[in-house]
Amino acid sequence: DGGITQSPKYLFRKEGQNVTLSCEQNLNHDAMYWYRQDPGQGLRLIYYSQIVNDFQKGDIAEGYSVSREKKESFPLTVTSAQKNPTAFYLCASSMWDRGYNEQFFGPGTRLTVL
Amino acid sequence: QKEVEQNSGPLSVPEGAIASLNCTYSDRGSQSFFWYRQYSGKSPELIMFIYSNGDKEDGRFTAQLNKASQYVSLLIRDSQPSDSATYLCAGGGSARQLTFGSGTQLTVLP
Repeated sequence: DGGITQSPKYLFRKEGQNVTLSCEQNLNHDAMYWYRQDPGQGLRLIYYSQIVNDFQKGDIAEGYSVSREKKESFPLTVTSAQKNPTAFYLCASSMWDRGYNEQFFGPGTRLTVL
Repeated sequence: QKEVEQNSGPLSVPEGAIASLNCTYSDRGSQSFFWYRQYSGKSPELIMFIYSNGDKEDGRFTAQLNKASQYVSLLIRDSQPSDSATYLCAGGGSARQLTFGSGTQLTVLP
């Protein structure tokens, strides 16, 4: 089955810890994205990547880091510098050569700070 | 600042009625618009996209785009209780990033 997988589904972080969220896609999409969603709000872009070994900051990149070593994978690290990390994290992917940017989402990871 | 605004809701309609969801956008460079449906606790699911002025129909869903007025809407005909969800409007421009609205919560009453 083609799709986007995220793991874990739920993640608990202690104060001062870095945690890494996994995102994998087998859709052969060029671009991948990370969003954060807080209760009752829309999605805010954290980072995105058009091609392997390249990525750009979104609107709320502070306290987060990413890597894109493989086309299929785009992990997100939530660092201890992110002061309010409790949120629903969504990974998405899309083709890049098409101008219309239809993005498809994974199931999400719900992160809670203890 | 690129913004996408959605009518605040929540919106309730009786089963079988037409639900109308509205969205305005500030970036005149936006070229494509997307409607996502998000059930509680789940990730967004793409249900419609529109690039050209006018209407686009897909089953019970119709998306409408008016670039002069910077207005996008989604009509759901014959609403069903299974349509109860939050609907997110998103606009995309040449940078190929999407700007999302905060969503409208729709409840279809049996």
